Amino acid sequence: GIQVEQSPPDLILQEGANSTLRCNFSDSVNNLQWFHQNPWGQLINLFYIPSGTKQNGRLSATTVATERYSLLYISSSQTTDSGVYFCAVEGNTDKLIFGTGTRLQVFP
Amino acid sequence: EPEVTQTPSHQVTQMGQEVILRCVPISNHLYFYWYRQILGQKVEFLVSFYNNEISEKSEIFDDQFSVERPDGSNFTLKIRSTKLEDSAMYFCASSGPGGTEAFFGQGTRLTVV
Repeated sequence: GIQVEQSPPDLILQEGANSTLRCNFSDSVNNLQWFHQNPWGQLINLFYIPSGTKQNGRLSATTVATERYSLLYISSSQTTDSGVYFCAVEGNTDKLIFGTGTRLQVFP
Repeated sequence: EPEVTQTPSHQVTQMGQEVILRCVPISNHLYFYWYRQILGQKVEFLVSFYNNEISEKSEIFDDQFSVERPDGSNFTLKIRSTKLEDSAMYFCASSGPGGTEAFFGQGTRLTVV
């Protein structure tokens, strides 16, 4: 099956800093989503981005499907950005395969 | 904004007991899923459901698990005889026609004691 790797596994930032999270996947995909898991465990949809670039406020994402990676950019980070960020992909089957996540801690 | 809702938010059960986790997917969605996340680990796929039948299931989804869509709005996951290792957060998700964005419920935290 498709392998999904995320880096870095952990990231510690001071408020106001920028960061880039990476997701590599091992095969072509039909769907790619980024999620933020907040401290209460909820999975919040950030982007549905099988290809191209999208922006939503301080967050943006780019997926280069031909090279099998996606990047999530967080600018001017805030303490509320803390949590785990997951990339998940869907190949030719009816399921999302999640990466192991990047744990982000933002300190004031 | 439409959302996936799950009940209960927390459930504690004794080993060997049956539990039913409930979900109300987004109303016009056609695909329904259950995932689980053991504490500190990644989210794992359990089962997908389309057109009133299972379309795919993982190795985790063995004979003690079953899913049902008993009416037009609910989607349930039953664990027949719970084990300690079934303790996890269980997420329900739904999506529209193939290849569209999946939305997740807030999860049910199941603790087996």
